[in-house]
Amino acid sequence: NAGVMQNPRHLVRRRGQEARLRCSPMKGHSHVYWYRQLPEEGLKFMVYLQKENIIDESGMPKERFSAEFPKEGPSILRIQQVVRGDSAAYFCASSPDRSTNEKLFFGSGTQLSVL
Amino acid sequence: TQLLEQSPQFLSIQEGENLTVYCNSSSVFSSLQWYRQEPGEGPVLLVTVVTGGEVKKLKRLTFQFGDARKDSSLHITAAQTGDTGLYLCAEFLSGGGADGLTFGKGTHLIIQP
Repeated sequence: NAGVMQNPRHLVRRRGQEARLRCSPMKGHSHVYWYRQLPEEGLKFMVYLQKENIIDESGMPKERFSAEFPKEGPSILRIQQVVRGDSAAYFCASSPDRSTNEKLFFGSGTQLSVL
Repeated sequence: TQLLEQSPQFLSIQEGENLTVYCNSSSVFSSLQWYRQEPGEGPVLLVTVVTGGEVKKLKRLTFQFGDARKDSSLHITAAQTGDTGLYLCAEFLSGGGADGLTFGKGTHLIIQP
């Protein structure tokens, strides 16, 4: 049973370009969470999605950031017109359902570097 | 928003020594999770504690949840170099406009041979 798969592992973009980060949840998992981790900071929640629905995007910047989890295919975190401050590690986690003591399985992350 | 404070921020000790790291909150946890993260990888769940006063053991790791559910500790006995990593505590929030895990900033642990 493959774990949460994220690609690419490393992504380099110049300022103003677009970044697309992909996340394939574990088999049977229909809940996906995206987190951002900056150096010397903890993981910050960005967005929570179920298939075809955004449930909670309270942690995601209103400008330039968007996320989707289509019926078929991976979840995508999209950052338009990247700036240097977007450089960070972006982690995706998945779970089979939403419960109080939810166990999340994390991917290995995508390290985004903006030049 | 609940604030999770972890201490110490950095800890470097010799192999074979014991250590304790802490996670404290400004308010009561519904439940608390401890994760370990290695460089270049995502966090891996170690344990979930739910009940005040609860103690859970995972080999040489002992996790304790405070009676008032506002603090937790992780104790490692006879540390090994393989224990090196970032130890994160987190609370899961569900609904009410806040979903997902809220993490502390973590304790960077280095075990020297």
